[in-house]
Amino acid sequence: KAGVTQTPRYLIKTRGQQVTLSCSPISGHRSVSWYQQTPGQGLQFLFEYFSETQRNKGNFPGRFSGRQFSNSRSEMNVSTLELGDSALYLCASGGELGENTEAFFGQGTRLTVV
Amino acid sequence: AQKITQTQPGMFVQEKEAVTLDCTYDTSDQSYGLFWYKQPSSGEMIFLIYQGSYDEQNATEGRYSLNFQKARKSANLVISASQLGDSAMYFCAMREANQAGTALIFGKGTTLSVSS
Repeated sequence: KAGVTQTPRYLIKTRGQQVTLSCSPISGHRSVSWYQQTPGQGLQFLFEYFSETQRNKGNFPGRFSGRQFSNSRSEMNVSTLELGDSALYLCASGGELGENTEAFFGQGTRLTVV
Repeated sequence: AQKITQTQPGMFVQEKEAVTLDCTYDTSDQSYGLFWYKQPSSGEMIFLIYQGSYDEQNATEGRYSLNFQKARKSANLVISASQLGDSAMYFCAMREANQAGTALIFGKGTTLSVSS
């Protein structure tokens, strides 16, 4: 069974640009969450999608948005990039809702804003 | 208030020794899940072990076991017989009942260094 796939692995963008990151969950999983990881703030939850609906959202500005497609693949978009958006962006994939399910992560996309 | 607390920024252990990484959590929910992940320097987040709040037995996965003390709100990770490849950052995380499948709250992590 293939794992969680995030593309691209590395990205360099200029301030003011926008970026789209992609996450393909494990086959059969319908929950996808996005996290931002920085040395200063640690791992912060961005948002979660389940069956194409955003179920939860973290405390991030509106420049951060996402969506989920019918095949459960998810994309995250950041507009008007700032230097502080440089981070490792991780995607997690999980099965049905509820407590008795595991959450598996992709290898992450390392975004550098210059 | 922090919901997941990992009080050990760094831990040092010799090969073949056992090590315990501490994690305490705060929730008012009766139903929740607790996770441990390993993050090597490459950045990928590797799932290690999961404990549901209603699980009566402590979870075990190979050399990893979770010492779950519900009354103390503690979910410590025990790694038996440490190996050099265990050197990494370790994160404790929680999923609360009102959250959906993959929305987790993470602690700040503990860096484990294993020496020969």
